[in-house]
Amino acid sequence: EADIYQTPRYLVIGTGKKITLECSQTMGHDKMYWYQQDPGMELHLIHYSYGVNSTEKGDLSSESTVSRIRTEHFPLTLESARPSHTSQYLCASSEFNEQYFGPGTRLTVT
Amino acid sequence: AQSVTQLDSHVSVSEGTPVLLRCNYSSSYSPSLFWYVQHPNKGLQLLLKYTSAATLVKGINGFEAEFKKSETSFHLTKPSAHMSDAAEYFCVVSGLAGDMRFGAGTRLTVKP
Repeated sequence: EADIYQTPRYLVIGTGKKITLECSQTMGHDKMYWYQQDPGMELHLIHYSYGVNSTEKGDLSSESTVSRIRTEHFPLTLESARPSHTSQYLCASSEFNEQYFGPGTRLTVT
Repeated sequence: AQSVTQLDSHVSVSEGTPVLLRCNYSSSYSPSLFWYVQHPNKGLQLLLKYTSAATLVKGINGFEAEFKKSETSFHLTKPSAHMSDAAEYFCVVSGLAGDMRFGAGTRLTVKP
């Protein structure tokens, strides 16, 4: 069983608020990823990191930002949430080309 | 660049009948291929992976997939569907840098 955690699991927040989605893994993986997934749709990579102090934007443009100060921690921040940010956000870490996923955060912006 | 196409957005089977979820891939080199399953309100779970060893790959819960290079396919099968198999299934191809491309997903419905 992979040890990757995301909090909160569900979040409902008003427009304009700043939010941070937490992602932590205890496996010591260098590579970590954030995906965005709308209901019933495919996953889109929005950010990834190959290690501490490394962050890159993914295929899908996102207004969110990420940081990687510690190997185990890869938080995602939205400075000003909008209804268009309503989605599910999945965090993953990988080793040897196999990705392990967290349970996801379902975000609703009202 | 690599990509995957899942040929069916929705598959419906009766309990006890075979399951076939189809996936074609495109890659300019020998790819690594994966099937993930996502149950409602859950994260993604790895079912099985192909990494250039045996072409027939066995996974968890009785699923298996066969890598066919000549057909650029990696279809997922199970001999007998169970109600608990109802979920969303994603075919994934991995590139040399470890980046992964997800298919659009196939929703499997299992009827009693």
